[in-house]
Order: sequence, then structure tokens, then C-alpha cells
Amino acid sequence: DQQVKQNSPSLSVQEGRISILNCDYTNSMFDYFLWYKKYPAEGPTFLISISSIKDKNEDGRFTVFLNKSAKHLSLHIVPSQPGDSAVYFCAASELYNYGQNFVFGPGTRLSVLP
Amino acid sequence: NAGVTQTPKFQVLKTGQSMTLQCAQDMNHEYMSWYRQDPGMGLRLIHYSVGAGITDQGEVPNGYNVSRSTTEDFPLRLLSAAPSQTSVYFCASSFRNSDLTDTQYFGPGTRLTVL
Repeated sequence: DQQVKQNSPSLSVQEGRISILNCDYTNSMFDYFLWYKKYPAEGPTFLISISSIKDKNEDGRFTVFLNKSAKHLSLHIVPSQPGDSAVYFCAASELYNYGQNFVFGPGTRLSVLP
Repeated sequence: NAGVTQTPKFQVLKTGQSMTLQCAQDMNHEYMSWYRQDPGMGLRLIHYSVGAGITDQGEVPNGYNVSRSTTEDFPLRLLSAAPSQTSVYFCASSFRNSDLTDTQYFGPGTRLTVL
């Protein structure tokens, strides 16, 4: 059973609009969450993270929201740009667990249309 | 810095063959790991190492061996390749931040096909 779920395999958004990518988790021990971005033929690259003591973290056009009671997080990209077209992975781990073995979701493919 | 490097980029094996996927990092990171990515499955942890001489199993370790003789290198060995091991393999290394979070860097991946 997947501990980290991304129920939308794909998402298309018009350039300049908001992209919202969702992620749900089942393990209540998870307290650190990350988003990775992956282009074809490249490895994932870290985008933004949030720990469970916060409910929001911003970095430029990217904001991650965490709802612990719902075990749900979302990534907002505003405004969306064609270069944001990629696969986005949500990942979760237990903070303070040395090595922090991350559990990844299956990914959401974002297409930003010009 | 080259970051995390992986070789080869592509490999085709026949069932039963063995091979080693190479991974190296030049950032002096203690923690390294191997993942496989399959369609609809995300990245799944195969093996990881918290330092030279120390390795442990991840979620899907069967059919793979690892060793960590140096901080820089973390090779992944397929003992007897099976079609189920057809996948894209990613190596990663990470360091611990002052707030005890980890920042993880991935290599470009090795696409393996087992016939």
C-alpha cells in the first residue's frame, strides 16, 4: 500500500495561471515533506520542503501547504511558466531519522501550455 | 563539483547476466542511496549507506548488492538480472543541514533493460 499518494497522474495549466499539485500520505510518523522536479533523462532535483511544525513554506513562485490533520500537502506554482513542465514528486520522511529514508509518491506530470 | 555521477547511462542485459551500476559523488556526503523508478510507482529505495563500510536494505533490496568502501563510491550490483529489474536507477547522496533536515542530490540515472 502506497504511503505517499499523488492521485493526479497529469495536469495541464495555461501559462500565467496557478498550478496546484496535490499529495496525500498515510503514515502519521512522517514529519518532513519535500517536492522534487524531474525533467526527462535527468535525475530529480529538490524544489521545496516543509516540516510538520509549519503549515506553509514559500520560495519565490513556489509555495507548499501542509494540512496535518488531513495528511495532505499541496504545491502551488504561481505564475506557471512553460519551463515548469516536468514530473513533480512528493516525498515524505521522519525527521531526525538519520539517513531520512524518503518515501516518494508516483509523480504528477505538469504541462504548462503557452 | 561534478555532483553525483552515474555510469552507464543505458544498459541492455540478458536474463541471468550480472553487472555493476557505478555511482560516485564528490561532495563528501556521508549518506548515499539507490532508487529504482518504475511507471506509476515513484522512486523506491533499494539500498542505502550512512557512511563508508555501512550499508542497509531499503524497500526493494532483493536481487541487488551494494558495498561502500569509500565515501565517494557506492556501486550497485545485479547478481543475476531478471526482466523485473528493467527500470531506471537513480543514485543519490545527501548531507544533513543544521536543522537536521537532509538535502538530497540525484544522479542522472541509468536506464536498464533486461531481456
